[in-house]
Amino acid sequence: SQKIEQNSEALNIQEGKTATLTCNYTNYSPAYLQWYRQDPGRGPVFLLLIRENEKEKRKERLKVTFDTTLKQSLFHITASQPADSATYLCALAQARRALTFGSGTRLQVQP
Amino acid sequence: DTGVSQNPRHKITKRGQNVTFRCDPISEHNRLYWYRQTLGQGPEFLTYFQNEAQLEKSRLLSDRFSAERPKGSFSTLEIQRTEQGDSAMYLCASSQNEEYGYTFGSGTRLTVV
Repeated sequence: SQKIEQNSEALNIQEGKTATLTCNYTNYSPAYLQWYRQDPGRGPVFLLLIRENEKEKRKERLKVTFDTTLKQSLFHITASQPADSATYLCALAQARRALTFGSGTRLQVQP
Repeated sequence: DTGVSQNPRHKITKRGQNVTFRCDPISEHNRLYWYRQTLGQGPEFLTYFQNEAQLEKSRLLSDRFSAERPKGSFSTLEIQRTEQGDSAMYLCASSQNEEYGYTFGSGTRLTVV
């Protein structure tokens, strides 16, 4: 069956360092992958999309890579700040289908 | 436009009762999605509309759940004969183009007692 795996353990890093979150998937051929941020009690907020034919995408301090051979996406936040502390969700979709979400990884940035 | 609006924000109901939630998407978005989320998990897909047509429905979705989007604007999600396992956050999202992702509402938190 299709599976999306994100590290269930929280990631704790120091302010200013680069945070790297991992998303692995199996039995899936996504057309694109998206990353979302979710704060407690709120709905997810869209951050970035990367398509199956793209290797890397950047937006300000965010960088996403997509390796369809390894079936993995990496999400990087450079120069991390305490305000970046949140849960980050990976989501995949095939063309014209709804997104399937991973369970998310909680990031805690210590000042 | 104030984004995706969901009502009510919170709902407490007794087991066996029916509940209905409403979602008002961003007006120019033609796609509308319903998801359910429990603590520590990611959103779980329930159903998806493009305009008024229901294009996809999760196989996990019990027949106690039904959703409508009359006239392709707002949507309602009804749960009949609620069970304690239905307790969750129900999230609605809308989108126009996958490039810009989904815009989620703040959700309706359902507690079945």
